[in-house]
Amino acid sequence: DAKTTQPNSMESNEEEPVHLPCNHSTISGTDYIHWYRQLPSQGPEYVIHGLTSNVNNRMASLAIAEDRKSSTLILHRATLRDAAVYYCILREFLNAGKSTFGDGTTLTVKP
Amino acid sequence: EPEVTQTPSHQVTQMGQEVILRCVPISNHLYFYWYRQILGQKVEFLVSFYNNEISEKSEIFDDQFSVERPDGSNFTLKIRSTKLEDSAMYFCASSDLGGSTDTQYFGPGTRLTVL
Repeated sequence: DAKTTQPNSMESNEEEPVHLPCNHSTISGTDYIHWYRQLPSQGPEYVIHGLTSNVNNRMASLAIAEDRKSSTLILHRATLRDAAVYYCILREFLNAGKSTFGDGTTLTVKP
Repeated sequence: EPEVTQTPSHQVTQMGQEVILRCVPISNHLYFYWYRQILGQKVEFLVSFYNNEISEKSEIFDDQFSVERPDGSNFTLKIRSTKLEDSAMYFCASSDLGGSTDTQYFGPGTRLTVL
């Protein structure tokens, strides 16, 4: 499985933007980049995914580097409810069924 | 919004006992998964299931584990003879396409405590 690397933890102030980085230097051309988050005591929750182009949805934006070796999840205005562990996951074309979770980034949002 | 449900929310069992964890996936989904998360550790893939067959399983999913879709709505995980190390949160997930672009929807989990 291609590996991802994320910072263990990040802090943000409420209502400020947050940029959560992920490195995936061994990504293959057909791997999709997915982001999930896990709020305390809950199951993982889908956030966003992309292949090459930047993506936006109601929850967040995903910025993908041109060489695809890194990506950044952007929360435009962090709220207290966004405090969670954020996982960057590569979904491989041939093993598309499973998600391989790493340690993720624990985001703390300060009021 | 449709959601994956799991029962029970918490199961306590004695070592060596059999447990069945139940999940109701989103109704039009075709791909089903079980993951587990030992307290303080990563979410780990256990098994994926499609068309009444296991598609993929991890090393964790040994002969003590089995999955079944007994009817059109439920998806179960059975652990035949529980061990202390099986204590974990077990998450069920479902998806409609099963591909690399697919969104997996997770349930709230069942906390299994083996004494």
